[in-house]
Amino acid sequence: DGGITQSPKYLFRKEGQNVTLSCEQNLNHDAMYWYRQDPGQGLRLIYYSQIVNDFQKGDIAEGYSVSREKKESFPLTVTSAQKNPTAFYLCASTPTNVASDTQYFGPGTRLTVL
Amino acid sequence: GQQLNQSPQSMFIQEGEDVSMNCTSSSIFNTWLWYKQDPGEGPVLLIALYKAGELTSNGRLTAQFGITRKDSFLNISASIPSDVGIYFCAGRGGSNYKLTFGKGTLLTVNP
Repeated sequence: DGGITQSPKYLFRKEGQNVTLSCEQNLNHDAMYWYRQDPGQGLRLIYYSQIVNDFQKGDIAEGYSVSREKKESFPLTVTSAQKNPTAFYLCASTPTNVASDTQYFGPGTRLTVL
Repeated sequence: GQQLNQSPQSMFIQEGEDVSMNCTSSSIFNTWLWYKQDPGEGPVLLIALYKAGELTSNGRLTAQFGITRKDSFLNISASIPSDVGIYFCAGRGGSNYKLTFGKGTLLTVNP
């Protein structure tokens, strides 16, 4: 089946530890995105990548880092510099890097920092 | 930056009733999207709108791209229990890749 997978579904980490969230897609999509969702809030863009080996900061990139070494993979690292990392993280992708493309979302990872 | 005001924040309705929700923007958008999110899952695209005035249906759902390009609405007719969830609008302006999301409308349908 084609789609976007995020793993794990739930992730617990101690304060001060870096953690990496996985996002994989087998849709051959060019562009990928990471969002953060907090209760009662809309989605906020962390980083996006239009093409392999290139990515741009979104609205709330501080405390996060990404890489795009392969077309199908766009991992997000939540660093210890992120002041409030507990949230629901969503990965999305679009077929091409055309701005009008519709974004399709993965199932999300809920990160809890203890 | 761009801001979206989505209303209402929540709705409690009886099965069979029609539902309407809307989003307004502080600036012009070229694309409006409507998503539904179930608890603990990623948003699923319901309807995409690309032209001012466009009216598009998907089953019992109908959405419109406002003439001013600063608003959009979503209607759900004859609601059923599985319509429960959070509905988000999202808009994009110009050639910007960034989507701006509303804060969502929580829909509860009583059987």
